[in-house]
Amino acid sequence: RKEVEQDPGPFNVPEGATVAFNCTYSNSASQSFFWYRQDCRKEPKLLMSVYSSGNEDGRFTAQLNRASQYISLLIRDSKLSDSATYLCVVNRPRRGSARQLTFGSGTQLTVLP
Amino acid sequence: EPEVTQTPSHQVTQMGQEVILRCVPISNHLYFYWYRQILGQKVEFLVSFYNNEISEKSEIFDDQFSVERPDGSNFTLKIRSTKLEDSAMYFCASSGTVPHEQYFGPGTRLTVT
Repeated sequence: RKEVEQDPGPFNVPEGATVAFNCTYSNSASQSFFWYRQDCRKEPKLLMSVYSSGNEDGRFTAQLNRASQYISLLIRDSKLSDSATYLCVVNRPRRGSARQLTFGSGTQLTVLP
Repeated sequence: EPEVTQTPSHQVTQMGQEVILRCVPISNHLYFYWYRQILGQKVEFLVSFYNNEISEKSEIFDDQFSVERPDGSNFTLKIRSTKLEDSAMYFCASSGTVPHEQYFGPGTRLTVT
């Protein structure tokens, strides 16, 4: 089983739509969870951390279900500028340190005019 | 807004040659990382560095790789004898007081011919 698994998409949605991405992770000891976005041939950019209680940042809402080892990202009122690949990222716990990130393969989103 | 910078943006080298990729992390950050992304594949962890020593390294980070913080601002990745399969985008990242939130530089595209 992959450490971090995402639906690769692509998701093609019209402007203004709501879109949801899902992700599962295999290591139950994982401690920190993130969504990054990556534009073509650019660096990953931190979109938001994901907390157990769920968190929201403007049009973006992230949820974590530790029991199911499941993470989600909801984008409301999508904009053309939201077109990117969305990366589910989990920290990989290690002896003495917990800062190594494990990336999913990403879900590609295209928002259409 | 502070950011991670990397040089060069693109490096072309011949197989067997040594390359040094340079990074300037965000100035008050304490943890430094290198990741790589082969074209079309996911981002992979190489190494983390804290308090002037390697904290963790992946299976990819073999004896051909080394890291160094030669002064108070730079963080370098050296590949001693490049192979064709080292061709990838190499990203430097740093994190500070907020645990695990890593910020990535724009990357160096390494092409080994």
